[in-house]
Amino acid sequence: DIVLTQSPALAVSLGQRATISCKTNQNVDYYGNSYMHWYQQKPGQQPKLLIYLASNLASGIPARFSGRGSGTDFTLTIDPVEADDTATYYCQQSRNLPPTFGGGTKLELK
Amino acid sequence: QVQLKESGPGLVQPSQTLSLTCTVSGFSLTSYHVHWVRQPPGKGLEWMGVMWSDGDTSYNSALKSRLSISRDTSKSQVFLKMSSLQTEDTATYYCARDLGPFDYWGQGVMVTVSS
Repeated sequence: DIVLTQSPALAVSLGQRATISCKTNQNVDYYGNSYMHWYQQKPGQQPKLLIYLASNLASGIPARFSGRGSGTDFTLTIDPVEADDTATYYCQQSRNLPPTFGGGTKLELK
Repeated sequence: QVQLKESGPGLVQPSQTLSLTCTVSGFSLTSYHVHWVRQPPGKGLEWMGVMWSDGDTSYNSALKSRLSISRDTSKSQVFLKMSSLQTEDTATYYCARDLGPFDYWGQGVMVTVSS
């Protein structure tokens, strides 16, 4: 199984940039696509797709969110951070079965 | 619009079998795969298995011996059955549509395993 590693928590100030990283133990690229996706989950809610294929913004997601990376290193950036962005963020790979998730990064405000 | 909704018992006794239903609308089960993902309280997301659009299934190897996923396309429902439940199976269980990423998720159903 592909293992995804995220830092457990990140604290940023309102209006600043938040960068959340996700590292995999295997390459998740295939034929020019990086099969990495990002989700936001708020307490008591289901995960919500933010970014798919490493850098594509999902429908209805504000442009403050962006993703980049390839191979084994990926980042989700939120710029500028708003109060409503406090949540846990998960990366997920779909390159191989089983699909696997990172442990999640909890974003908090300073 | 696309919707998924999980239903099932909130409480299951240890060693018993869990049965959950995912009812979908806005898309066809023969066109999209549907996955089951669970999340223990305060913990991360764990993939359980998938009903492929062609009717085939795949399972998490750690759960395979206890897990069964089936469907009724006429009712737009996907079913999960997991046997021999233990307290560590206490979690919120989600179904999600597969568009490569999981683009739509149900609201989840909290299942507590306790006597």
